[in-house]
Parts: sequence; structure tokens; C-alpha cells
Amino acid sequence: AQSVTQLDSQVPVFEEAPVELRCNYSSSVSVYLFWYVQYPNQGLQLLLKYLSGSTLVKGINGFEAEFNKSQTSFHLRKPSVHISDTAEYFCAVRRGSGAGSYQLTFGKGTKLSVIP
Amino acid sequence: EAGVAQSPRYKIIEKRQSVAFWCNPISGHATLYWYQQILGQGPKLLIQFQNNGVVDDSQLPKDRFSAERLKGVDSTLKIQPAKLEDSAVYLCASSFLFRSESSYNEQFFGPGTRLTVL
Repeated sequence: AQSVTQLDSQVPVFEEAPVELRCNYSSSVSVYLFWYVQYPNQGLQLLLKYLSGSTLVKGINGFEAEFNKSQTSFHLRKPSVHISDTAEYFCAVRRGSGAGSYQLTFGKGTKLSVIP
Repeated sequence: EAGVAQSPRYKIIEKRQSVAFWCNPISGHATLYWYQQILGQGPKLLIQFQNNGVVDDSQLPKDRFSAERLKGVDSTLKIQPAKLEDSAVYLCASSFLFRSESSYNEQFFGPGTRLTVL
């Protein structure tokens, strides 16, 4: 079974400062990795995904993430945040293949608060 | 393209009452998912349909929860009777087509239904 740990439940950061949201996963098989964003009272929106290939993945709204297999991490970064980035961010993992490969396992989320 | 629609957006009931949620997926999406998101946690898959058949309902509390997708389009999730711990946001998602092995199909999420059980 897979599991996801998001190390910070809340991250406050000043506007235009860089931010890193941390995510570690556990799995005995290859995985696909995702970051989703959830704005207040809305559903989840896909920010970016790692399926294979380059370990540096670029997503929407200027976010990027790096897959590190040896450290089993998939941290999300943005060089300069805006007020509009205030939201909750979820890291998720899915098995690359095999039984149950469709199921997403989510972390508990990190609330990003951008301070003006 | 219209997104995943859910109704109602909010529902407050007392424990032991019944409640139903409705989901209309994106047109043409064969796969539909229901997730439960308890406050402070990530979403947890309850049930997955492909067309009108159940692919996985291993985490659905079947003594009180039921779901159907009779015509392979809309879906309804029901709780009967509700308990206090059922208070959560219920998210519906859909994807174009689920293939069980190496392919990937993005899941698109609806806005959710926030259920409060008093």
C-alpha cells in the first residue's frame, strides 16, 4: 500500500517570497505523483503530475516539483508567491501499474497562507 | 466544457436521518469517483464506477452508504442513517476512461457537498 506524508500542515509566507511545500511518499512499487490545489469551497484542481521522464515537473500558476526517488520526495516549489496562491495543497500518489493502480492516496494537505 | 456538477452544495441534517447527494460528471467521462474529505484530512476514495458498474467499493461503509449510477452518467450517493462522524465534504470526480494498467487519465473534481450531521 502507498502512503503520503505532508510534513507541514500550515505554511505562512510573505507575498513575493519563495515557498516549498514538502511531500514524502512510501511505496514498494513505482508510482505516479500529483499535486492538487483546493481553493475555499471548491473542488480539487490538478497543479502538476509526475508520470515518468524528467524529474523536474512544471505545472500551472508557476509551480514546479521535483521527484527524488532516493529520498522518496516530491516537494512543490514556487519562486515568488501571490495572494491568490492562498489555498490548501494536497500531494497524492498512485501506483504506476497493477491491481488498484487507479486509486489516488492523498496526504492530509498543507494550508498555504500568503501574507501581504 | 462544463465541469463536474454536484448538488446540493451544503446540507445539514440530524443524526439518524437520511441524505442523498447527486453528481453529474463531465460529458463523455466513463469513470466516476466519490471521495469523502473529513476536515483536516485529504480525500479518501469511497467508490469508483466505470460506466454503470462498480470497479472498487472497498472503502465504502456498506451498512449505511450506498451509491448508484444507473445509466452510466449521473450518480447518487446516499447515507442512511447518518452518524456524527459522517460530517465531511463529499467530492465527486470523473475521468475520461479508466484503463487498469499503465495509462493515466486525469480526474476532474466537482465543488463538493459539505455535509454537517448534528
